[in-house]
Amino acid sequence: AQSVAQPEDQVNVAEGNPLTVKCTYSVSGNPYLFWYVQYPNRGLQFLLKYITGDNLVKGSYGFEAEFNKSQTSFHLKKPSALVSDSALYFCAVRPWNTPLVFGKGTRLSVIA
Amino acid sequence: DGGITQSPKYLFRKEGQNVTLSCEQNLNHDAMYWYRQDPGQGLRLIYYSQIVNDFQKGDIAEGYSVSREKKESFPLTVTSAQKNPTAFYLCASSSAGGSSYGYTFGSGTRLTVV
Repeated sequence: AQSVAQPEDQVNVAEGNPLTVKCTYSVSGNPYLFWYVQYPNRGLQFLLKYITGDNLVKGSYGFEAEFNKSQTSFHLKKPSALVSDSALYFCAVRPWNTPLVFGKGTRLSVIA
Repeated sequence: DGGITQSPKYLFRKEGQNVTLSCEQNLNHDAMYWYRQDPGQGLRLIYYSQIVNDFQKGDIAEGYSVSREKKESFPLTVTSAQKNPTAFYLCASSSAGGSSYGYTFGSGTRLTVV
């Protein structure tokens, strides 16, 4: 079965420091991987996706993610965190022609 | 602007009532989805539809029903058979034709049983 794991419920980081939000996946075949962000009482907003090609994917708001096939990981990163980055982050995998499967989410708190 | 509109934003249901959540999109997307979000459980798939007049059950379809009579609309009915309906409900849409397409989400409906 296809699945996504986000091992950390909460990540705290000081403003200006680099941040990493972890994601590992399990899927048969080539993975299509996504990151979304959710602000309170809002829908999810697309950040970035990996389909094929370069293992480092750049997305919105200065975020990037590194695809690592051997470790089946797709960690979200940002070189310098902002207080406004505080939100709930979801990793997702989309098996072929089936709906997205989401992780349980990681709450990021950036402290000024 | 193109997007997905969910209404109402907040909804209150009495025990034993059916309620219907609206989801409309003007993105010309073929596929539409309903997810339920509970704290600490991520998003769980209720129903999805890849084409008009056809839909499939997701992981937690019991107590819910849907219809897809128009491409633009995918309403979700929460029936009295759903024993714990209090949650945040998210509708999404995507282009068909492959898994490289992500979703566009609506702003959600928060349903509370009173």
